[in-house]
Amino acid sequence: EVQVVESGGGLVQPGGSLRLSCAASGFAFSNYWMTWVRQAPGKGLEWVANIRGDGGERYYVDSVKGRFTISRDNGKNSVFLYMNSLRAEDTAVYYCARSEWARCDWGQGTLVSVSS
Amino acid sequence: QTVVTQEPSFSVSPGGTVTLTCGWRSGSVSPRDHPTWYQQIPGQAPRTLIYDTDIRSSGVPDRFSGSILGNKAALTITGAQADDECDYYCTLFMGDGTWVFGGGTKLTVL
Repeated sequence: EVQVVESGGGLVQPGGSLRLSCAASGFAFSNYWMTWVRQAPGKGLEWVANIRGDGGERYYVDSVKGRFTISRDNGKNSVFLYMNSLRAEDTAVYYCARSEWARCDWGQGTLVSVSS
Repeated sequence: QTVVTQEPSFSVSPGGTVTLTCGWRSGSVSPRDHPTWYQQIPGQAPRTLIYDTDIRSSGVPDRFSGSILGNKAALTITGAQADDECDYYCTLFMGDGTWVFGGGTKLTVL
């Protein structure tokens, strides 16, 4: 059974940093793209970033370019989202997903709150 | 402005049929945009319903179907049920490695 479990969310001050982790199991991790999607409170879904199975390609939504970095450790079946210079508008539930194009197997999400 | 457009809300009667659409603000949706549909019950993670235009994900009832209608991607629910009342999102491939979601459609079954 495919499982992805996010962790690392919490409360952080504006300008601060946070690292989200996503532990995957039940599939050949290095064969799949992994994706982060977020959802601000009461708002819709927003695609954030993705990374190819070998880590050779990474893409970001414009609003996080230069501030967020997606990476993966195929030896540990994990993907990470490093978030720097956090802003109030980054407050959201962050979902990790195994993706084949846009067919996603989703985790339950982790909440990031950016507030002073 | 939203790059991908969806109806903000829609209503359907129990047992009825409803078609939700997903389009580019400018231009036509095609299969190379890999239109994908998700269902989200409030408070829960999304679930992939339809991918690559018209392929149902495992476990999705066949009353959910996807297609291209005119210049938009479409999600049709046939025989709507009470528990279909939730939010539906589509996503389209931007062609540069990135994806963009529509704003979502809140479906009411009454």
